[in-house]
Amino acid sequence: GENVEQHPSTLSVQEGDSAVIKCTYSDSASNYFPWYKQELGKRPQLIIDIRSNVGEKKDQRIAVTLNKTAKHFSLHITETQPEDSAVYFCAASRDTGGFKTIFGAGTRLFVKA
Amino acid sequence: SAVISQKPSRDICQRGTSLTIQCQVDSQVTMMFWYRQQPGQSLTLIATANQGSEATYESGFVIDKFPISRPNLTFSTLTVSNMSPEDSSIYLCSARRQGASDTQYFGPGTRLTVL
Repeated sequence: GENVEQHPSTLSVQEGDSAVIKCTYSDSASNYFPWYKQELGKRPQLIIDIRSNVGEKKDQRIAVTLNKTAKHFSLHITETQPEDSAVYFCAASRDTGGFKTIFGAGTRLFVKA
Repeated sequence: SAVISQKPSRDICQRGTSLTIQCQVDSQVTMMFWYRQQPGQSLTLIATANQGSEATYESGFVIDKFPISRPNLTFSTLTVSNMSPEDSSIYLCSARRQGASDTQYFGPGTRLTVL
């Protein structure tokens, strides 16, 4: 079945440094890749997404890259701040077969002040 | 953006009983989903709630255990039946307006504890 692998499971960075989270997906029909941030006790919130016809997308300190050939996509957070500390989930979805979204295992990001 | 509410927000239940979770979306949406999230874990898709027809369940989840209703475009329920402690988890409703490329929103979740 469909699968999304996410690495690392835990990431600790110093405030101001960059953080990179990587994901791979198995379903070649996937064409939409959202990233969610989940703070403790709260619901997942979409922070950025990318569609398969785009290789890179940026929104202020957050960027996402996609390599369809390799089935890889990554989240880049620059100039990290303590409030970036949370669990981040990558996900993959497609326009056929029920539109369901499959999530990666999550990355717990710690930003040390 | 779609606003999604769920109730109850949390509950403590006895083994063998059933709990029905309600999900309400503030606008008509095409797709509604139910996820389970164990503490410290990722989101696992239970099923897609289909309006006016039986839900589509993922591997490992069955209708007898997790019956789902979706009578209209803005409302769905998930029942956790014959509960055991292993069912203790957070259950999240999710919705998306159009196709797979539309933003998917989540409800606040229902924290279920089974004793």
